[in-house]
Formats: sequence, C-alpha cells, structure tokens
Amino acid sequence: DAGVIQSPRHEVTEMGQEVTLRCKPISGHNSLFWYRQTMMRGLELLIYFNNNVPIDDSGMPEDRFSAKMPNASFSTLKIQPSEPRDSAVYFCASTPGLAVETQYFGPGTRLLVL
Amino acid sequence: QKEVEQNSGPLSVPEGAIASLNCTYSDRVSQSFFWYRQYSGKSPELIMSIYSNGDKEDGRFTAQLNKASQYVSLLIRDSQPSDSATYLCAVNGGDKLIFGTGTRLQVFP
Repeated sequence: DAGVIQSPRHEVTEMGQEVTLRCKPISGHNSLFWYRQTMMRGLELLIYFNNNVPIDDSGMPEDRFSAKMPNASFSTLKIQPSEPRDSAVYFCASTPGLAVETQYFGPGTRLLVL
Repeated sequence: QKEVEQNSGPLSVPEGAIASLNCTYSDRVSQSFFWYRQYSGKSPELIMSIYSNGDKEDGRFTAQLNKASQYVSLLIRDSQPSDSATYLCAVNGGDKLIFGTGTRLQVFP
C-alpha cells in the first residue's frame, strides 16, 4: 500500500511568488495534518483536517497561508506571497481516525524561498 | 502554551552502549506519548508509543513514562551506528500531538 504522497519534493522560488504544496493521504485515513519543520522551531502543526473538514488552523502563521482538502484523497497548502522565512520542510501526515493516534508522515517538501 | 521539552544534543554514545533520551511535558492531562525517529533528510517514523505509567519494551527499545513527574524517556540498548538519528518526543495536547524539537543521537563505532 502506498504511503502518504507529497509533491513537489523540492521547490525553489523567489520571494513574492505563490507556492502550492500537495498531499495525498493514505487511502482510508480520515485525518490529515500539515506540519512545518525548521531547525529553530522543530516540527510545528499548521492545520489539520478530519473527514475533509478543517478542525484546527491555529498554527497557520498568517493570512498568507491557506489549506484546502476538497476530497478525501487530496489536500493543498498554499503560500501567497511567499517570503524567505517560509523556507522549511513541509510535511503532510495522516491517521486512520483521531488526531492523537499514530501519524504516518509523507516524505516532505523542501521549500526554499530566495 | 503546552510544551514538550527535549535536550537537542547531540548525545554521543559508543556502539553497544545504552542511549537514554529524555522528554518532559507541561500538560498534566496528556494521555498518549510517542517516540518518533527521524533520519537526516527523511520524515519522522513512529518507533514507540506508551499510554500507562511504567516501562514498555519492544526489542532494543524501552519507553518509560512517569506521569507524576511529567517525564517520558526512551532507552536504546546495544546502540548501533544505524540508530544515529534525531528522536522526537510527541505528546497529545488535547486533540492533537505536540512535538518536541528532538534529540540528535550519534552512535560511534
């Protein structure tokens, strides 16, 4: 069975550009999470969905960040406009049910904003 | 603000020794505790979960939980160079997991 799939794996962009990260959770999993990881702040939860509905977006840094989950098999995280401080690794994770169960992480997207 | 604290390391141990990784958390009502391993450039993967006070063993790994002291630890026996990675402690904070910043472990031959 395929794990969590993320694309692109690497993204280099210039400040001010729009960035869209994509995630396909494991089939049958009901909860999906977006994390950001940096050396300074570690792994931070940005937003999570349960049954395609956003449950908690308190970790979204500011209005430049938005996330959607139009169906059970696809989610996007968009940054518009991007800034150098957004440079990080962005992980998507999913669980079969509740948020506090074992989370299965995708390979991550390494974002560099110049 | 619910917090999970870990020493960033690096923790260096010789091959064959016991590596001890520690984690403290601030939320007294937390009920679920996890240890994730993250190799450099890779994503976190779950290696242990623990829900009750005491020890839980799985192969060379032992998780220890002390809710009264708000302390969870991971022991790795017979450490191998392949155990060199960053170990993330995660604690449930309400309806989501709160991750520590991780401890980098280096096992040298």
